[in-house]
Amino acid sequence: KAGVTQTPRYLIKTRGQQVTLSCSPISGHRSVSWYQQTPGQGLQFLFEYFSETQRNKGNFPGRFSGRQFSNSRSEMNVSTLELGDSALYLCASSLTGPRDGYTFGSGTRLTVV
Amino acid sequence: GQQVMQIPQYQHVQEGEDFTTYCNSSTTLSNIQWYKQRPGGHPVFLIQLVKSGEVKKQKRLTFQFGEAKKNSSLHITATQTTDVGTYFCADGTSYGKLTFGQGTILTVHP
Repeated sequence: KAGVTQTPRYLIKTRGQQVTLSCSPISGHRSVSWYQQTPGQGLQFLFEYFSETQRNKGNFPGRFSGRQFSNSRSEMNVSTLELGDSALYLCASSLTGPRDGYTFGSGTRLTVV
Repeated sequence: GQQVMQIPQYQHVQEGEDFTTYCNSSTTLSNIQWYKQRPGGHPVFLIQLVKSGEVKKQKRLTFQFGEAKKNSSLHITATQTTDVGTYFCADGTSYGKLTFGQGTILTVHP
């Protein structure tokens, strides 16, 4: 079966711009989580969605937002980009929640210049 | 907030040597998961432990969950070059999220 698909794979944006990242989970998976990975901070939790509802949110500023659609696909948006937002953004899906174990996508590498 | 501390941060071994990484928490964990991330790749789920004192094996990998459910370990016997990568533990206690440790970066010298 197809894995978790994230698009685009790479992005270069200018400070102040906004960006939208997309994630298509494994078919049948209703939980989608987003993580930011940087060399200094490791894997930081952004948010988790289940059946279009945000169930948990990490400690990120309001510039980071997300949503989930009825087909379980998810998007995350970062507005007013800062240099420090440069990171690998990973999406992970699971059947009903993180306790089922995550399947991660390959990630979107965002570079802010 | 709740944190899981993972040690060591780095481990360099010769091929054939054993390797262990440890994950510690100051609070009781309801469950712990382990992931492996190859260089340039994404984390891949290895296993989940939920019971006190649980031990699970996957070929050369042995996973343990402490009796008090505050610590866990991953042991690799006779490392191979294919074991190279970063190993993460992740705490699944909080509703709707996994909290990852900082990871242990394993380098295997042939």
